[in-house]
Amino acid sequence: SQTIHQWPATLVQPVGSPLSLECTVEGTSNPNLYWYRQAAGRGLQLLFYSVGIGQISSEVPQNLSASRPQDRQFILSSKKLLLSDSGFYLCAWSAEGQGGETQYFGPGTRLLVL
Amino acid sequence: SQQGEEDPQALSIQEGENATMNCSYKTSINNLQWYRQNSGRGLVHLILIRSNEREKHSGRLRVTLDTSKKSSSLLITASRAADTASYFCATDGGDSSYKLIFGSGTRLLVRP
Repeated sequence: SQTIHQWPATLVQPVGSPLSLECTVEGTSNPNLYWYRQAAGRGLQLLFYSVGIGQISSEVPQNLSASRPQDRQFILSSKKLLLSDSGFYLCAWSAEGQGGETQYFGPGTRLLVL
Repeated sequence: SQQGEEDPQALSIQEGENATMNCSYKTSINNLQWYRQNSGRGLVHLILIRSNEREKHSGRLRVTLDTSKKSSSLLITASRAADTASYFCATDGGDSSYKLIFGSGTRLLVRP
C-alpha cells in the first residue's frame, strides 16, 4: 500500500534562517506531488506541484521554492524565512496521469517563524 | 480566486443528529471531492462525485451535486463525537490541470 511521510512534524525557526521540509512517498511510481500551506482555521493554498522529476510548477510567487530530486521525493525550501511563512505545510500525492483525482495527504509540518 | 466555498463556516450539533454542509463553486468541473481534517492533521479523502453524477453514498455519508447551481452538499447521518473535524470540498476546475482547488472548510463540532 502507499504511504506518504513528512518531516519534521514541527519546526520553530528564526526569521532569516533557511528551511528544508521533506516529503517522500512509498508504494507508487511517478506520482504527482503537491505542497500546500494552510493558515490557522483556513483552507489550503497550493504552493507547488510536480508531475515528474525536475518538473516544478509554482502557483504563488513567494519566498519559497520546491525541488523533486527523485521520483518520490519532494522538498520545500527557503533561503531566508519570513514571519509570514509560518503555517501548516502539507504534502500530497495523486496517481500518475490523474491530476484532478483523489489526493492523499501527509501528516503535515507545523512551522513557526519567530 | 476561491473556487469552493463551504457553508456554514461552523456547525455545532448533538450526537445522533444529522449534519449538512454545503459547497458552492464558480467554474465548470469534472469532479468534486470532500475531505476531512482532524485538528492538526493531514486531510483524508472521503468521497468523489463526478460531474455526471447527482448523488453518491458511502457509509453514513451522502453527497449530492447540482451542476446547474454549481453546488454540492455533504450529509453526515447519525453523527458521532468522532465526526468532529473540519470538512473541505475541492474541485478540479474543469480543465486538464493537475490541481485541486479547496474551499475554506466547515468546522463541525459534534457534542456527546
